[in-house]
Amino acid sequence: GAVVSQHPSRVICKSGTSVKIECRSLDFQATTMFWYRQFPKQSLMLMATSNEGSKATYEQGVEKDKFLINHASLTLSTLTVTSAHPEDSSFYICSASRGVNQPQHFGDGTRLSIL
Amino acid sequence: QKEVEQNSGPLSVPEGAIASLNCTYSDRVSQSFFWYRQYSGKSPELIMSIYSNGDKEDGRFTAQLNKASQYVSLLIRDSQPSDSATYLCAVTSDRGSTLGRLYFGRGTQLTVWP
Repeated sequence: GAVVSQHPSRVICKSGTSVKIECRSLDFQATTMFWYRQFPKQSLMLMATSNEGSKATYEQGVEKDKFLINHASLTLSTLTVTSAHPEDSSFYICSASRGVNQPQHFGDGTRLSIL
Repeated sequence: QKEVEQNSGPLSVPEGAIASLNCTYSDRVSQSFFWYRQYSGKSPELIMSIYSNGDKEDGRFTAQLNKASQYVSLLIRDSQPSDSATYLCAVTSDRGSTLGRLYFGRGTQLTVWP
């Protein structure tokens, strides 16, 4: 199996709050983890690629100071949305991969709502 | 710019029919190809991986790959209403700084009606 756990599943908070999302690969070591964002009825949008022990690689247009990614071990990556605002409301999904040319396995996603 | 194109939906088939989903990709060096299923409001779920030319069967699903034509397809036999979802074609990048990332098509929405 290849199980990826993502928590929390849903967050509702006030504007200006920072929100931390955890992504864990439960039964395999993930050399690389990915963070996506998806707006309603739109495609998945890759935000950043994260390798254990090194800095994340952000996609063009994604603010690295706003979306902080930490990949502390081969089984855990975190995404912190700092000082979140209503426009940050979205469905955030992580995925993990065993290696190059291996499939990505997705977590269940986090639905973030900023009031 | 790497592109993954899927046939535009929505695709609607009756229960028990074969659903055929198609995908083309632009990067000739890509080596790994995946089909994901995404139910509305949920995250994508891997249903098939294919790495070499030809057919690969898993239950009611058959993936077909033709690297010369840069074409990947997914056939769903005996379609069920529970198969109604958006199907995403994904292709790996095998180049440099983007090594390992997936490029997704926009998805084909499938509806299987009883």
